[in-house]
Amino acid sequence: DTGVSQDPRHKITKRGQNVTFRCDPISEHNRLYWYRQTLGQGPEFLTYFQNEAQLEKSRLLSDRFSAERPKGSFSTLEIQRTEQGDSAMYLCASSELTTDTQYFGPGTRLTVL
Amino acid sequence: AQSVTQLGSHVSVSEGALVLLRCNYSSSVPPYLFWYVQYPNQGLQLLLKYTSAATLVKGINGFEAEFKKSETSFHLTKPSAHMSDAAEYFCAVSRVGNEKLTFGTGTRLTIIP
Repeated sequence: DTGVSQDPRHKITKRGQNVTFRCDPISEHNRLYWYRQTLGQGPEFLTYFQNEAQLEKSRLLSDRFSAERPKGSFSTLEIQRTEQGDSAMYLCASSELTTDTQYFGPGTRLTVL
Repeated sequence: AQSVTQLGSHVSVSEGALVLLRCNYSSSVPPYLFWYVQYPNQGLQLLLKYTSAATLVKGINGFEAEFKKSETSFHLTKPSAHMSDAAEYFCAVSRVGNEKLTFGTGTRLTIIP
């Protein structure tokens, strides 16, 4: 069990650029979640997948955001036309279908200049 | 909708003293409740969880929490603080165990030598 991994750990980009983050969940975990955490706040739910199906999306997830989990394993989160307000830590978590514990990765810190 | 309120964004205690971090929840259905800890530049680690079984829940690193329905509270305690407990602590609620988590704004715990 290697835990949830995220890549990259840090990303600095200029406003208007597109960025993509990757999350590799714990092997055999059916559910995968994305959260966003801004400075001084708790994580906020963005979206989650059960296998390859995206089951719920938060209103925080504007049209500029898209997430995929094409084969039910790793997931990507893409932000198009980044804005300074997108600067945050993006956290990924995974869980088994039949348990209630979400395991978090180390996060990707995005800075938009 | 579900929510949690963490009273006290910063708490300082002396090494060896009692740690008490407060969390109150709001939920229209029986909640699942969690405490997570976050160390600098790391993801979240589960400390303990309440899933409608015993109301007194014991977690890792000597922490425990008691679910009090009448007070809608789930406060986190530790009898004797250690320097390694210095971190950010988040209370979270979910409707069903492995759906999205709704987090509080966090409490930063400082341990005074």
